[in-house]
Amino acid sequence: DAGITQSPRYKITETGRQVTLMCHQTWSHSYMFWYRQDLGHGLRLIYYSAAADITDKGEVPDGYVVSRSKTENFPLTLESATRSQTSVYFCASSHRGDQPQHFGDGTRLSIL
Amino acid sequence: AQSVTQLGSHVSVSEGALVLLRCNYSSSVPPYLFWYVQYPNQGLQLLLKYTSAATLVKGINGFEAEFKKSETSFHLTKPSAHMSDAAEYFCAVSEDDYKLSFGAGTTVTVRA
Repeated sequence: DAGITQSPRYKITETGRQVTLMCHQTWSHSYMFWYRQDLGHGLRLIYYSAAADITDKGEVPDGYVVSRSKTENFPLTLESATRSQTSVYFCASSHRGDQPQHFGDGTRLSIL
Repeated sequence: AQSVTQLGSHVSVSEGALVLLRCNYSSSVPPYLFWYVQYPNQGLQLLLKYTSAATLVKGINGFEAEFKKSETSFHLTKPSAHMSDAAEYFCAVSEDDYKLSFGAGTTVTVRA
């Protein structure tokens, strides 16, 4: 089915571990985004990408790495997880900059 | 840089009553404004978008929002609440039309 899917939906890991969150969209949207959602903060932009091989930092990029070798995939990596990165992570995509963003169902990440 | 303030983190309404969610923004240029809704364990869905075509914007599920430049506000309303409207609502603003800044969110509870 067409859409945007995130995996895994739930993840528990330990501090210092590397963890990668996956995002895949089937619309061939140019723009893709990663947000984190924390109580009292709404959603904050971590990284975004305007096209394959083009990425840029958002509001809270520290501790995260992204890549976009293919238009449909936009993985987010925590190279050395910290407890402060416990959050719900959302991936989103849009066709053009002036189109609404479509969100995945999120990944709930707990770092012990 | 833009910011978004949602007044009231929780709103409780009776079924059939008016729903009013307040959003104020700060922006140095005419912004694009959005309202999104999030149901439990799901991603965000677009309710409506303001793009300067009209100050009163109609969205899905009977919601509408009015842009008031003089008040820098974009309040969301629905004349008659339904139980299915229980969710979290986010106001968002973009100056460059693809990077969104979100408010902290307002949780709506509907009483039978």
